[in-house]
Amino acid sequence: AQSVSQHNHHVILSEAASLELGCNYSYGGTVNLFWYVQYPGQHLQLLLKYFSGDPLVKGIKGFEAEFIKSKFSFNLRKPSVQWSDTAEYFCAVNINAGNNRKLIWGLGTSLAVNP
Amino acid sequence: GAGVSQTPSNKVTEKGKYVELRCDPISGHTALYWYRQSLGQGPEFLIYFQGTGAADDSGLPNDRFFAVRPEGSVSTLKIQRTERGDSAVYLCASSLDTDTQYFGPGTRLTVL
Repeated sequence: AQSVSQHNHHVILSEAASLELGCNYSYGGTVNLFWYVQYPGQHLQLLLKYFSGDPLVKGIKGFEAEFIKSKFSFNLRKPSVQWSDTAEYFCAVNINAGNNRKLIWGLGTSLAVNP
Repeated sequence: GAGVSQTPSNKVTEKGKYVELRCDPISGHTALYWYRQSLGQGPEFLIYFQGTGAADDSGLPNDRFFAVRPEGSVSTLKIQRTERGDSAVYLCASSLDTDTQYFGPGTRLTVL
């Protein structure tokens, strides 16, 4: 069965530190890739997505992610985090086949940024 | 409001009872999705509607779970004979066809 792995479950950083959160998926075909964020007390929001084209995608709030097909990875990066980036981050994958629309999710990474 | 709304925000029920959870998608979104999220886990797909019909219900865990979307807008997730293991946050999302899924705030279901 297809799965999504997020390598870091809990990350603690100081403000201005760089961030990289790992995401790998298990599927050999075409995929659509997403990073969602859930700030404390709020609902899931889309950070960025990749469907096709340039494998380096830029999202909101200075986040970016790079799709590396050979590594089945879609890692999230931010060069300098802020306290307001404290949140839960989820990687999700949609298998691009037929009428399939369901998202398969990683377990999430809890990020705490200390001021 | 412009976003997906879900009611109730919290539901506490007793084991064996029946519950209904409601989702109001973004106006004009043809696709609607239900997921559930247990503590410490990512969301888990339950069912997806395209218009009024369930296009994929492969994630429903058993026949106690059922969902409808009779007019292609509001959807109701129905759970019969609730069990303690059903306790979770139930998330609804909607999208314009194959585009990004936009999520609601969820309904936290607690089965005592």
